[in-house]
Amino acid sequence: GQSLEQPSEVTAVEGAIVQINCTYQTSGFYGLSWYQQHDGGAPTFLSYNALDGLEETGRFSSFLSRSDSYGYLLLQELQMKDSASYFCAVKGFQKLVFGTGTRLLVSP
Amino acid sequence: DADVTQTPRNRITKTGKRIMLECSQTKGHDRMYWYRQDPGLGLRLIYYSFDVKDINKGEISDGYSVSRQAQAKFSLSLESAIPNQTALYFCATSDSAGSGELFFGEGSRLTVL
Repeated sequence: GQSLEQPSEVTAVEGAIVQINCTYQTSGFYGLSWYQQHDGGAPTFLSYNALDGLEETGRFSSFLSRSDSYGYLLLQELQMKDSASYFCAVKGFQKLVFGTGTRLLVSP
Repeated sequence: DADVTQTPRNRITKTGKRIMLECSQTKGHDRMYWYRQDPGLGLRLIYYSFDVKDINKGEISDGYSVSRQAQAKFSLSLESAIPNQTALYFCATSDSAGSGELFFGEGSRLTVL
């Protein structure tokens, strides 16, 4: 089976940098994805790491260490619109299994 | 128009009723999924399908059934709805390239009284 752990809530101020960690246990691992979901909306894809290292997309970066079964999402220059829930998800053999999500609250 | 369309968007029903949630997509993807979202529990996979002849159970398939009527259509049924099936349901699609990217519909909020 698969299990993922991520913090339930993180708070930060505008302009700051925040890191959301995700640890996982899985019997089959192909990669780690990150999704953003605003209240009342659908999850939207942010990034996917299949290999170790850092992937950067604008203000967002995602990191993976397969040997440590660990990844994180780094959000820089936080904006109010970044307030949302963030989910890590493990890609196994045929499916994507999601963590329970981290609610990010950005304050002025 | 949305690439992944779910109907209905909201539905209130009573215990014991049969409910069908429908999903259609214009992305041309082979793979389709149904997830359920509950507060604090994230997204849990109910069923998934990799083509019209392929149906697979996910983590929480009990009490649900699905039908893949065409490449573009994947419906979820609750044969006899119960209150603990009250949740937000998402349909999603992906291509077969294995990029880890799912494209979600806007969700169907189901309330079972």
